[in-house]
Amino acid sequence: AQTVTQSQPEMSVQEAETVTLSCTYDTSENNYYLFWYKQPPSRQMILVIRQEAYKQQNATENRFSVNFQKAAKSFSLKISDSQLGDTAMYFCAFMKLRNSGNTPLVFGKGTRLSVIA
Amino acid sequence: EPEVTQTPSHQVTQMGQEVILRCVPISNHLYFYWYRQILGQKVEFLVSFYNNEISEKSEIFDDQFSVERPDGSNFTLKIRSTKLEDSAMYFCASSEWTVYEQYFGPGTRLTVT
Repeated sequence: AQTVTQSQPEMSVQEAETVTLSCTYDTSENNYYLFWYKQPPSRQMILVIRQEAYKQQNATENRFSVNFQKAAKSFSLKISDSQLGDTAMYFCAFMKLRNSGNTPLVFGKGTRLSVIA
Repeated sequence: EPEVTQTPSHQVTQMGQEVILRCVPISNHLYFYWYRQILGQKVEFLVSFYNNEISEKSEIFDDQFSVERPDGSNFTLKIRSTKLEDSAMYFCASSEWTVYEQYFGPGTRLTVT
């Protein structure tokens, strides 16, 4: 079974600064995807970024980027130029791939990020 | 941009009552999911659904739960006899066959009293 660990329950960052959220995972699978989801106070889960395990290049989406270390099973999220709207719960998630199609997401416990003005 | 919708946004029910949570997935998506999140805890997978049948379910998804796609657009989660511990946020998600992102709805907060 896969597990996802987020070791930082809460973090805070000043507006315009950079923050990195940690995520490690445990799996024996070789083909999988990793995701970061954002859950603002409205509670809706929003996809922030995804990383395919077979890709060595780290994914980026505007101010969001990841540091994917496959051998270390580490998948951190860096938020640059933090904005007040980034205040949310951030969940790291794992999905294994199989020929029969999609599989469920396995989530970490989340990191609550507060961006301070 | 297409989105997953869920109704109601909040449901309060008494212990032992049946509830049906409704979801409208994105129209060209083929895989549908239910997850739940007990307050303060992580999001947990309940069940996935493809081609009009359950493709996978978790240990949480016992005989009290059922899912259905009654027509071409809705996807429902039924809890037959609610318990206090069923109080949670329930999220519906959908995804395409060849693209692996799951898109989540806004959730239904279920409160069992």
